[in-house]
Amino acid sequence: EVQLVESGGGLVKPGGSLRLSCAASGFTFSNAWMSWVRQAPGKGLEWVGRIKSKTDGGTTDYAAPVKGRFTISRDDSKNTLFLQMNSLKTEDTAVYFCTKYDTIPFDYWGQGTLVTVSS
Amino acid sequence: DIQMTQSPSSLSASVGDRVTITCRASQGISNYLAWYQQKPGKVPKLLIYAASTLQSGVPSRFSGSGSGTDFTLTISSLQSEDVATYYCQKYSSAPWTFGQGTKVEIK
Repeated sequence: EVQLVESGGGLVKPGGSLRLSCAASGFTFSNAWMSWVRQAPGKGLEWVGRIKSKTDGGTTDYAAPVKGRFTISRDDSKNTLFLQMNSLKTEDTAVYFCTKYDTIPFDYWGQGTLVTVSS
Repeated sequence: DIQMTQSPSSLSASVGDRVTITCRASQGISNYLAWYQQKPGKVPKLLIYAASTLQSGVPSRFSGSGSGTDFTLTISSLQSEDVATYYCQKYSSAPWTFGQGTKVEIK
């Protein structure tokens, strides 16, 4: 059974940092492109960024609002995806989801982890 | 960057009605388009990928069509359990932008 389990969310002050994790199981993690998506309270879905599989270069791409502040990485030996978030702003407050893209795009999502940026 | 514009932003229809939601890309994206259903407090659920491929387990009343810049999600006979917000997402090249969502309610 495919599972994606996010963790690491919480309350952080503006300007602070947080690292989210997404533990994956039930599929060949190393072959999958992985993505982070967020949803601010009462708002729509917003793509944050993605990392390709190492076979496909392992490169990353980011949405404009987070570029230069957020970094996506992966540890294929631990089947884990990461999102390092620096210089956090109040507008980064959201539930953060991880999702996978291998044979079928975005067929599985984690339950999400809430990040609240507030003083 | 390619923008994704969904319409309408909300709609109200009766049970049994045919419902159509459109998604327009500002540039061609071939068929790299997905549709999701999200119910309040729930995780988005993949309905359609590759513009018209129905995800396993999704009721056949849902269908997708289109290619290039114009795409459509159709619910052939709206059911009460279809009350949700629907999103399109392009995944042709980064950024993998979402549409702004369409909220579907029962009249």
